[in-house]
Amino acid sequence: DAGVIQSPRHEVTEMGQEVTLRCKPISGHDYLFWYRQTMMRGLELLIYFNNNVPIDDSGMPEDRFSAKMPNASFSTLKIQPSEPRDSAVYFCASSRLNEQFFGPGTRLTVL
Amino acid sequence: AQSVAQPEDQVNVAEGNPLTVKCTYSVSGNPYLFWYVQYPNRGLQFLLKYITGDNLVKGSYGFEAEFNKSQTSFHLKKPSALVSDSALYFCAVRDIGGGATNKLIFGTGTLLAVQP
Repeated sequence: DAGVIQSPRHEVTEMGQEVTLRCKPISGHDYLFWYRQTMMRGLELLIYFNNNVPIDDSGMPEDRFSAKMPNASFSTLKIQPSEPRDSAVYFCASSRLNEQFFGPGTRLTVL
Repeated sequence: AQSVAQPEDQVNVAEGNPLTVKCTYSVSGNPYLFWYVQYPNRGLQFLLKYITGDNLVKGSYGFEAEFNKSQTSFHLKKPSALVSDSALYFCAVRDIGGGATNKLIFGTGTLLAVQP
């Protein structure tokens, strides 16, 4: 299995632009999680899905952030408009039983 | 509410010496506990878990962890540290609030530095 796939691996954009991060979970996993990691705030859970349905989005910082999971093999995290404080590494993880499996992350830099 | 604490921001150990990375937890009911490792510029990798059974759990790369219910701890250990073990280590507990879920609550992480 290829593991969790995220794209792009690196994204540099300017403040105000729309950013879309993509994730392909491990086949057969029914949970998908989006995390953000920064030096200041550590690892934060943004939102998670079960069977493509959002279960808890209480970690989404504000309305500029949105996430979708149109099918079992694809999810997106969108930031519109982006701000410099959104600069972070964004991880996607998927799970079937108990442990979560993380993707390599997308390093986002907003100038 | 479930929570997990990693009291040490950093642990320093010499190569070849035993290492311990500490974790304590607070849950209602039986805990599901996990350790993850993060190498620089990589995602978190699953090391080991405790669900039930033997209190000593063995995982990847020679790591093990001991579940201690009376002390509510789940410390990560390795008999002989390698320089390549230098990384950020996260303890996590499954959040059982709100019904069945695979949501994990992560600690703040402990940076392990192994000196040659």
